[in-house]
Amino acid sequence: RKEVEQDPGPFNVPEGATVAFNCTYSNSASQSFFWYRQDCRKEPKLLMSVYSSGNEDGRFTAQLNRASQYISLLIRDSKLSDSATYLCVVNRVSNFGNEKLTFGTGTRLTIIP
Amino acid sequence: DVKVTQSSRYLVKRTGEKVFLECVQDMDHENMFWYRQDPGLGLRLIYFSYDVKMKEKGDIPEGYSVSREKKERFSLILESASTNQTSMYLCASSQTYYSNQPQHFGDGTRLSIL
Repeated sequence: RKEVEQDPGPFNVPEGATVAFNCTYSNSASQSFFWYRQDCRKEPKLLMSVYSSGNEDGRFTAQLNRASQYISLLIRDSKLSDSATYLCVVNRVSNFGNEKLTFGTGTRLTIIP
Repeated sequence: DVKVTQSSRYLVKRTGEKVFLECVQDMDHENMFWYRQDPGLGLRLIYFSYDVKMKEKGDIPEGYSVSREKKERFSLILESASTNQTSMYLCASSQTYYSNQPQHFGDGTRLSIL
């Protein structure tokens, strides 16, 4: 089983619609969770951190379900500029006690005018 | 704003060459990382460093080495380049030991090994 699993998509969604992505992770000891956004041929950039109580940033809502080990991202009133690949990211601890991140392979979203 | 700069955007090398990829960050970050990104495989961690002269292997270190002589600079070395190392290479840095700090990425180096 992959450490972080995402539906690769693509999701083709009309402008103004609401879209949701899920991501599952395998390491129950993980403590930090993020969504990153990556535009075509660009570097990944942090979209938002995911907190236990759920959090919102404008049109974006992130939720964490520790019991089921999944993370979700909801985008409301989608814009053309939301077209990108969304990466689910989870922390893990190495054998030497150093923390590092595991990236999902990403979910590709295209907003259609 | 955090700035992570990779020395080359595109690079073409030949099989067997020794290749150096350089990364510099300007925010005094302790942690630095090298990833490669391939279609369908996502970002995979090659090596990371949490302090000067300190390094740890990531998930796919074979065929690579790293050097961190100064805090701001983290180099990835392909000892003897092979065609299966053709990829997009991304460098990242983060502020503290703990991974709840986000990683900031450079623009990436698209490396082709012929």
